[in-house]
Amino acid sequence: AQSVTQPDIHITVSEGASLELRCNYSYGATPYLFWYVQSPGQGLQLLLKYFSGDTLVQGIKGFEAEFKRSQSSFNLRKPSVHWSDAAEYFCAVGVNTGTASKLTFGTGTRLQVTL
Amino acid sequence: GAVVSQHPSWVICKSGTSVKIECRSLDFQATTMFWYRQFPKQSLMLMATSNEGSKATYEQGVEKDKFLINHASLTLSTLTVTSAHPEDSSFYICSARGSPGPNYGYTFGSGTRLTVV
Repeated sequence: AQSVTQPDIHITVSEGASLELRCNYSYGATPYLFWYVQSPGQGLQLLLKYFSGDTLVQGIKGFEAEFKRSQSSFNLRKPSVHWSDAAEYFCAVGVNTGTASKLTFGTGTRLQVTL
Repeated sequence: GAVVSQHPSWVICKSGTSVKIECRSLDFQATTMFWYRQFPKQSLMLMATSNEGSKATYEQGVEKDKFLINHASLTLSTLTVTSAHPEDSSFYICSARGSPGPNYGYTFGSGTRLTVV
């Protein structure tokens, strides 16, 4: 079965500093990978996704992620964090078995941004 | 872009009563909808997957008689928490997908905070 690990439960960065959130996955085939952001009491917003092709994926709000098959990783990065980026970030792996497709989420990383 | 509307955003109910949560895809046809439960400061746990016009597929450990899911149309799925108890208090989120295949397009609702007193 597929699984997703986000090793960092909580990360604090200063506004303007760079950010990297780690994500490792376990899946036997080529994964479909996603990063979502969740503000308190809200649903999830898709930041970016990887299906195939270029391993460096650009997303919204200045985020990017790089798929590294050899490391089973899909880390999220942003060169300069803004205070509004403070939120919970979830990495997810998608399994497609026709109509039984579904997402498996990591446990999330809470990002705090200090001014 | 694709929009999913989830109502209510929060609800408080008495123990023993039932609560219905609606999830609507506003600008696309959702062939598949997913219901998740999220405990405070935890990840999303998939409860069930529903395809329009067919019975929902529940994840292991989820009581199908307690969490009734109906996906009667391509734009509406409902989750009914029957005979709710305080331990059912949680944040419930729905997600909708427009088409099968590798072109994933999951769109999430804004969630429903259920408090059972």
